[in-house]
Amino acid sequence: DGGITQSPKYLFRKEGQNVTLSCEQNLNHDAMYWYRQDPGQGLRLIYYSQIVNDFQKGDIAEGYSVSREKKESFPLTVTSAQKNPTAFYLCASSNPGTYSPLHFGNGTRLTVT
Amino acid sequence: GENVEQHPSTLSVQEGDSAVIKCTYSDSASNYFPWYKQELGKGPQLIIDIRSNVGEKKDQRIAVTLNKTAKHFSLHITETQPEDSAVYFCAASIDNNDMRFGAGTRLTVKP
Repeated sequence: DGGITQSPKYLFRKEGQNVTLSCEQNLNHDAMYWYRQDPGQGLRLIYYSQIVNDFQKGDIAEGYSVSREKKESFPLTVTSAQKNPTAFYLCASSNPGTYSPLHFGNGTRLTVT
Repeated sequence: GENVEQHPSTLSVQEGDSAVIKCTYSDSASNYFPWYKQELGKGPQLIIDIRSNVGEKKDQRIAVTLNKTAKHFSLHITETQPEDSAVYFCAASIDNNDMRFGAGTRLTVKP
């Protein structure tokens, strides 16, 4: 079955440590996205990539970094510069274009203490 | 930029009743309006979407209406079932790189 795999499902880190969240898709989608979800809020865009080796900042990119070395993979690094890293992180992919729906993974819940 | 507001934040209905969730958007250039359902511990899944050149779309028990003049769109679920209980998100976009989501509605269907 085609889909998006995020791993791990739960991640715990100490404050001051960088942590990388994995996102892999086998849908052959060109575009990939990272969203952050906090309780009572909608999804907020962190970074997106429309093509390999290219990515753009979203609304809340500060404290995060990404890479897109392969079409299938779009890992997100939460750096120690992110002030409130504890959240639910969602990866998505889509075909390019206006009317292409986003396909989401099942998320990674990151807890930083 | 686009701003999407969603109401209500929580909604409780009896099984078999209808549920309506409403969203407004600010950018008249937005032309694509998807709705997503998110179950606990999972990612959102697309349940229905509508383009700006269409006023209404229906898929079995769910329907979406769009009023471009008033810049609002709504999700209608008829004959609700317990498995409809989830968080529902509306979204609006000009293209996928600027999709904006509402804050979500937690729907509870009581058996």
